[in-house]
Amino acid sequence: RKEVEQDPGPFNVPEGATVAFNCTYSNSASQSFFWYRQDCRKEPKLLMSVYSSGNEDGRFTAQLNRASQYISLLIRDSKLSDSATYLCVVNIRNNDMRFGAGTRLTVKP
Amino acid sequence: DTAVSQTPKYLVTQMGNDKSIKCEQNLGHDTMYWYKQDSKKFLKIMFSYNNKELIINETVPNRFSPKSPDKAHLNLHINSLELGDSAVYFCASSFGRGRGTEAFFGQGTRLTVV
Repeated sequence: RKEVEQDPGPFNVPEGATVAFNCTYSNSASQSFFWYRQDCRKEPKLLMSVYSSGNEDGRFTAQLNRASQYISLLIRDSKLSDSATYLCVVNIRNNDMRFGAGTRLTVKP
Repeated sequence: DTAVSQTPKYLVTQMGNDKSIKCEQNLGHDTMYWYKQDSKKFLKIMFSYNNKELIINETVPNRFSPKSPDKAHLNLHINSLELGDSAVYFCASSFGRGRGTEAFFGQGTRLTVV
């Protein structure tokens, strides 16, 4: 089983739509959790950290369920500029960050 | 003022050659990583170092040899390059433990072996 698994996508949505991405991780001792965004031919960039209490940053909401080993990202009111690949990232132990395969999102006018 | 910088950005070389990629971070992080992103876009961890000590060596062929002269630098040397080594290699850094362990990435080195 892969350490981090994501919805494969792709997701094609109209502007203004709400879209949700899911991710599961296999190591119950995993310590910290993140969503990254990667644009074509660019490096991954941190979108947001994910905390057990859930956290929100503008149109983006991240949730963590440790019991189910599940992470989610919700994007509301999608913009064209949200088109990218979204990567679920888990610190499975100190100094060991593992990436999901990524979910590609295309927002269309 | 680039936080994580790696060079070169592009590298085209022939099979059998030896090449190096350099990485430096100025964020004061204690952990550095090398990741390989292949044509399927999956980011696979290769190595991690914490304070110059090798922590993760993820079943990478021994043609790949990382070297960390200090905690701000992690270089990657590749011997006897093969066609299958063609990929984008990303360097990253982070704090290894505690809160704030998010990683910051360099711009990547696009390696093409011909």
